[in-house]
Amino acid sequence: EPEVTQTPSHQVTQMGQEVILRCVPISNHLYFYWYRQILGQKVEFLVSFYNNEISEKSEIFDDQFSVERPDGSNFTLKIRSTKLEDSAMYFCASSEGTAADTQYFGPGTRLTVL
Amino acid sequence: AQSVTQLGSHVSVSEGALVLLRCNYSSSVPPYLFWYVQYPNQGLQLLLKYTTGATLVKGINGFEAEFKKSETSFHLTKPSAHMSDAAEYFCAVRDSGGYQKVTFGTGTKLQVIP
Repeated sequence: EPEVTQTPSHQVTQMGQEVILRCVPISNHLYFYWYRQILGQKVEFLVSFYNNEISEKSEIFDDQFSVERPDGSNFTLKIRSTKLEDSAMYFCASSEGTAADTQYFGPGTRLTVL
Repeated sequence: AQSVTQLGSHVSVSEGALVLLRCNYSSSVPPYLFWYVQYPNQGLQLLLKYTTGATLVKGINGFEAEFKKSETSFHLTKPSAHMSDAAEYFCAVRDSGGYQKVTFGTGTKLQVIP
């Protein structure tokens, strides 16, 4: 069964450094998403991406964040200058298209900012 | 704005007993409703979803949920708990109006006692 994959599974970085989290969505899906889950808290929406542009973003997704689909298979989340509070599990998801479609989640990347 | 409330951050049941996890939502338009399960150190897996049609929805692993518009509820049930059901369960809502964002509840950790 097709699945969303994410790399790396765990990333440790120093405060102020840039990180790029990578995702490979399910191949025929058109919408892509990033969510995050700070330890012990709920999963929060960051951004959705369709047709090579951001379609929706939350207030969390400020200028420090950016997303890109650099080729036909990868979808990336970049954090330009990491802060301690960016430490969280980051989940990538993808869906086929309509609002009723299920969003399929990857296993997550645990980001630790020191 | 959409929101989800899950009553009880921790629920304990005996093996073989009924599982009932409560979820109430608010949405300005007809909602799409989801239950996801998260096993330790893993991503989010869809259990079931309601979009339109039959209000009693059956999912994987013997779980089901009933959409009750009058009560704005979408409680998750399973007649007989199994040890493998121990996990965290998230209720989620998405507006049917074309928005992509999924809003998650705070989660309920289910403990199954042998």
